[in-house]
Parts: sequence; C-alpha cells; structure tokens
Amino acid sequence: DAKTTQPPSMDCAEGRAANLPCNHSTISGNEYVYWYRQIHSQGPQYIIHGLKNNETNEMASLIITEDRKSSTLILPHATLRDTAVYYCIVRSYNNAGNMLTFGGGTRLMVKP
Amino acid sequence: EAGVVQSPRYKIIEKKQPVAFWCNPISGHNTLYWYRQNLGQGPELLIRYENEEAVDDSQLPKDRFSAERLKGVDSTLKIQPAELGDSAVYLCASSLDGYNEQFFGPGTRLTVL
Repeated sequence: DAKTTQPPSMDCAEGRAANLPCNHSTISGNEYVYWYRQIHSQGPQYIIHGLKNNETNEMASLIITEDRKSSTLILPHATLRDTAVYYCIVRSYNNAGNMLTFGGGTRLMVKP
Repeated sequence: EAGVVQSPRYKIIEKKQPVAFWCNPISGHNTLYWYRQNLGQGPELLIRYENEEAVDDSQLPKDRFSAERLKGVDSTLKIQPAELGDSAVYLCASSLDGYNEQFFGPGTRLTVL
C-alpha cells in the first residue's frame, strides 16, 4: 500500500482558504487519493477522491500534481465547524474490494 | 436517509469482562466494516463483511475478538475477555459494495478498567 505523509497540525483563519497538503510519492497508477475528515467524537466523514484530474464538490477541491506524488485538499472558505482531523488516504484494492489505511492525519484548527 | 447506527455510544467495563458492540448499517449497503481507533491515531480495520461473509479478518485478534453479521444486515463485535489495551473507539462503517465510499457511524468508546 502506498503511504501518505501529512503535517500533524495546521491553523487557518475563519473565512480563509485552508490548503492541506499530502505526499504520496509511492502511489501506483491505479490507486486513488481519498480524503476523509473526523470531527471530535464523530466517525470519519468522506470528503472527496480523485485519480488524476482535479476534483471539486460542495465540500472541497482536490488538486493532484501531474506526477501524482502529492495532492492538496482545499477548503475554500473555512468555518469553525471545519475544525477536525483530515486524513489523506491512498486507496488500495485486494481481491475482494477496497482498503482504507488511515495514517495520523492533519489536525486542522480553524480560528476566529 | 439514516446513517450508520451504533450502540452503545459508551461502555465502561472491568478487565476480563465480556463486551459487545452493535452496528446497523445504512439500508442497502452490502459491505460492513469494523475499525478500532486508539487515542490519537487513525482507525485500523478489524474485519470486513460482504453480506454475511467475512472476507477480510486478518487484523482481528481471534483469540478474544469475534464478529458476526447474521442475515447480512446488522453486525455484532464481541470481546471476551476484555483487556486493558482494548480501550479504544470501535467504529462501524458501511458501503454499497466493496468499491464505494464508506460511511462511518459515531463509534463506541470502550474503557476497560
């Protein structure tokens, strides 16, 4: 499984864009990049995923570099409710389906 | 649409006692997962079910942990006997199948004294 590296913590001012980086230099050609977040005392929540192209949904944007060795999750206008641990995961498959291997994640603190 | 339901939310037991956690996945989701999350770490997969069949239980400590998913819907995870190191949050997740996004429940926080 490709491993990911994320900064352990980041701060962001409320209303500003939060840019969360992730390195996945050993990613394979058929592996997707997934992002989940976990708000305190809740289970992880799916945010977005991508393979090669940049992706955007109502929650966030995902920018993947051309060589696919790194990516950035962008929360365009962070709010206090975005304070959470954000996990970047390279999704691998075994014979029976997908595996999510969580790392330590980035603890994002959005400050007023 | 109702999410993944887990109960209880919190459980405190003494070591060597048994404990069970219950999970009701999202309706129509064939794949069910149990994860364990230690304090300050990301979740770790314990077991994955496709309908009623356990297709990946390589990380489940089989000497004391057991799980079942009767009729391919609800699932129960049991620990017997519990040890101090079992204190953690136990998360249940479900997905339409093994290739779609996983939706997580709120978890059960277990404290073993």
